Amino acid sequence: DAKTTQPTSMDCAEGRAANLPCNHSTISGNEYVYWYRQIHSQGPQYIIHGLKNNETNEMASLIITEDRKSSTLILPHATLRDTAVYYCIVIGGSTLGRLYFGRGTQLTVWP
Amino acid sequence: NAGVTQTPKFQVLKTGQSMTLQCAQDMNHNSMYWYRQDPGMGLRLIYYSASEGTTDKGEVPNGYNVSRLNKREFSLRLESAAPSQTSVYFCASSETWGEQYFGPGTRLTVT
Repeated sequence: DAKTTQPTSMDCAEGRAANLPCNHSTISGNEYVYWYRQIHSQGPQYIIHGLKNNETNEMASLIITEDRKSSTLILPHATLRDTAVYYCIVIGGSTLGRLYFGRGTQLTVWP
Repeated sequence: NAGVTQTPKFQVLKTGQSMTLQCAQDMNHNSMYWYRQDPGMGLRLIYYSASEGTTDKGEVPNGYNVSRLNKREFSLRLESAAPSQTSVYFCASSETWGEQYFGPGTRLTVT
């Protein structure tokens, strides 16, 4: 599985866009990029995923570079409730759903 | 629709005691998973079950056993608890292999 690199921490003002980067330079053609978040003491929550096209849902947008070596999760209008650890995970068909969580990025949204 | 439920929420064991953590999902998912999360770390996969009647080892299976009782339920057993098994345990389920739904966790302390 491709490894991912994320900054340890980031912060963002409430109401502003939060842009969380992820590097996955060894990603292979059949591997997807998934994003999860974990609010303190709770179970992780699925946010969004993509293969090569940009994706958007009610929670966030996912921008994947053309070479697929990096991606950015965008929370368009961050709120205090978005304070959490965000995990970028790359998985493909061979892993059969075995998610490998690293340490993620601690996003702190301040008022 | 409760999603993924776990019991108990908290447990304290003495070294050498045994216990079973229970997990149930009402989303009719085929796959279920057990993870552990140590302080300041990401989640690590203990065991998973791709479908009813099958189980496979994950990243850290030693000291644990699992049972996929039926499609809804997946239990995790500690036969002889050790202090190193002090952790938060999360159960998850999924239909598509990357989009997993997590329970609220069981906080286990072994003294």
